[in-house]
Amino acid sequence: EVQLVESGGVLEQPGRSLRLSCTASGFTFGDYTMSWFRQASGKGLEWIGFIRSKVYGETAEYAASVKDRFTISRDDSKSIAYLQMNSLKTEDTAVYYCGRHGGGSSWTTEYWGQGTLVTVSS
Amino acid sequence: EIVLTQSPDFQSVTPKEKVTITCRASQSIETSLNWYQQKPGQSPKLLIKTASRSFSGVPSRFSGSGSETDFTLTINSLEAEDAATYYCHQSSHLPLSFGGGTKVEIK
Repeated sequence: EVQLVESGGVLEQPGRSLRLSCTASGFTFGDYTMSWFRQASGKGLEWIGFIRSKVYGETAEYAASVKDRFTISRDDSKSIAYLQMNSLKTEDTAVYYCGRHGGGSSWTTEYWGQGTLVTVSS
Repeated sequence: EIVLTQSPDFQSVTPKEKVTITCRASQSIETSLNWYQQKPGQSPKLLIKTASRSFSGVPSRFSGSGSETDFTLTINSLEAEDAATYYCHQSSHLPLSFGGGTKVEIK
């Protein structure tokens, strides 16, 4: 069974940094592209970015709203994807989800974690 | 950037009724359109991928159709457990994007 568990969400001050983790199990993590999304309270879903699997270069793509502040990385030996969030803003307050794509070069997220809440406030 | 416009925003439906939700893309995305269901307090779950392919374990009352710019999610014979917000999502062009969501309430 595919399982994704996000962690690291906390209350943090504006301007600070935070790293979220997405721990995967139930599949061969290194074979899949992994995405991050967020959802502000009562709002819709927003794609943040994804990181391709090693066979596709382990390169990442980002939404314009977070590019230059957020970085996605992965550690295939630990089956963990990371979201490094720098220069946090109050508008980054949201539930953050990680997701596993379909196989190959698919950009469709097939499985989602349960989410972790990030609150940015002074 | 591809904008997805869903309609309606909200629908109140009686059990066993048929529900139709539409999603229009601002440019052609061929069939790279997916549908998710999100219940309150839960993460989204994939229902339909590539416009019309049902994801594993999804009840057969959920179906999708469409191509290019116009897509439809149909729920045949709505059940109480289908109360949720439904999102379309395009996986054709970067940045990936979502529709604004359609909240389905059970009367």
